[in-house]
Amino acid sequence: ETGVTQTPRHLVMGMTNKKSLKCEQHLGHNAMYWYKQSAKKPLELMFVYNFKEQTENNSVPSRFSPECPNSSHLFLHLHTLQPEDSALYLCASSFRRGGDYGYTFGSGTRLTVV
Amino acid sequence: GESVGLHLPTLSVQEGDNSIINCAYSNSASDYFIWYKQESGKGPQFIIDIRSNMDKRQGQRVTVLLNKTVKHLSLQIAATQPGDSAVYFCAERGNEKLTFGTGTRLTIIP
Repeated sequence: ETGVTQTPRHLVMGMTNKKSLKCEQHLGHNAMYWYKQSAKKPLELMFVYNFKEQTENNSVPSRFSPECPNSSHLFLHLHTLQPEDSALYLCASSFRRGGDYGYTFGSGTRLTVV
Repeated sequence: GESVGLHLPTLSVQEGDNSIINCAYSNSASDYFIWYKQESGKGPQFIIDIRSNMDKRQGQRVTVLLNKTVKHLSLQIAATQPGDSAVYFCAERGNEKLTFGTGTRLTIIP
């Protein structure tokens, strides 16, 4: 375990469903990130939170809705997704935005939209 | 524009040999570089980093080389073992964000 925990590990959902991904870290980090990882593509940054405040939304469709209630928890709420949204969703954290000492990643949630 | 790329998408190496994975970057203002390892079913794991004021850094069996003149980063793994099989990503930090490359899949031949 890296110190960043993501649940669930696997998720299959229909296009009309609503689900949420959860990320938790107790590393004392203040910045948290959501990334999308698709086959043969670089990691795509989706959202950045710094001290619970959203500092970046990388042109992500509104069917993805992040929530950061505190510096230790990050959620990604999903609704009316499309099949092309199927991917590995990775959460990461760092001491501060920009990752002076790199990011610590969770193991990801493998999402399949049917 | 800013980009991080890898010269080869796959690399096969005989067990016990040394591996070299390369990465090109284009942002000359990037000040910090990281190599990550991602095993199947896991998230990327930090291996080693280097700041722009250095040109070489060594860890346990790994060495990162930075050539700022040609904007090139490499990861050397000594005496490659089966457990080194994974996808390796480089990342560069510029404008307070990390940008990741596509990754190179390293396969170890027994």
